[in-house]
Amino acid sequence: ETGVTQTPRHLVMGMTNKKSLKCEQHLGHNAMYWYKQSAKKPLELMFVYNFKEQTENNSVPSRFSPECPNSSHLFLHLHTLQPEDSALYLCASSQKGGRNYNEQFFGPGTRLTVL
Amino acid sequence: AQSVTQLGSHVSVSEGALVLLRCNYSSSVPPYLFWYVQYPNQGLQLLLKYTTGATLVKGINGFEAEFKKSETSFHLTKPSAHMSDAAEYFCAVRSDTGNQFYFGTGTSLTVIP
Repeated sequence: ETGVTQTPRHLVMGMTNKKSLKCEQHLGHNAMYWYKQSAKKPLELMFVYNFKEQTENNSVPSRFSPECPNSSHLFLHLHTLQPEDSALYLCASSQKGGRNYNEQFFGPGTRLTVL
Repeated sequence: AQSVTQLGSHVSVSEGALVLLRCNYSSSVPPYLFWYVQYPNQGLQLLLKYTTGATLVKGINGFEAEFKKSETSFHLTKPSAHMSDAAEYFCAVRSDTGNQFYFGTGTSLTVIP
């Protein structure tokens, strides 16, 4: 595998279900991100992890719970979601050099539908 | 604070015609600017980036962009559109602290045969 991979690619879940999205980067990067992409809206940054430590949480509801066990893996745990949470969830990684982050590399996304 | 505005959510060009996708940014510090492309059912792929130095930046697939500080713009161009260029294009600017990227709402490019 190369680049950034995400599984599953498609997920349909009910509002009472619990599921997890997985992201893995094979680029040796030290920062990982979760974004939400909804139609006609800018990409919404959800979480940022740097060296496994969460550095940003952009007011994301607690029904989304991230986990970063190491610099290569990132999870997004989902529970009691709402239909408006249906979107494409994108994972990205980048390399932090000094105080700045270089460009991000994106995975293919997980298309989530909440019924 | 940083922000990006992409003018025109939909752009249509004929095959072989010039492609021009507009991006204006707001940044209180010298910006790092990016253009990404997204094909259907795929993630975003970096086309090109401006960090420092030469203001005309060349990217993949024949695209280029010019950083114009006086106009706070970073427009994306390609001399001759190809059918395979049909996709969604996103402009982005990196934050002051360097740990966040702000994306525009995207421009959908349609190429007419």
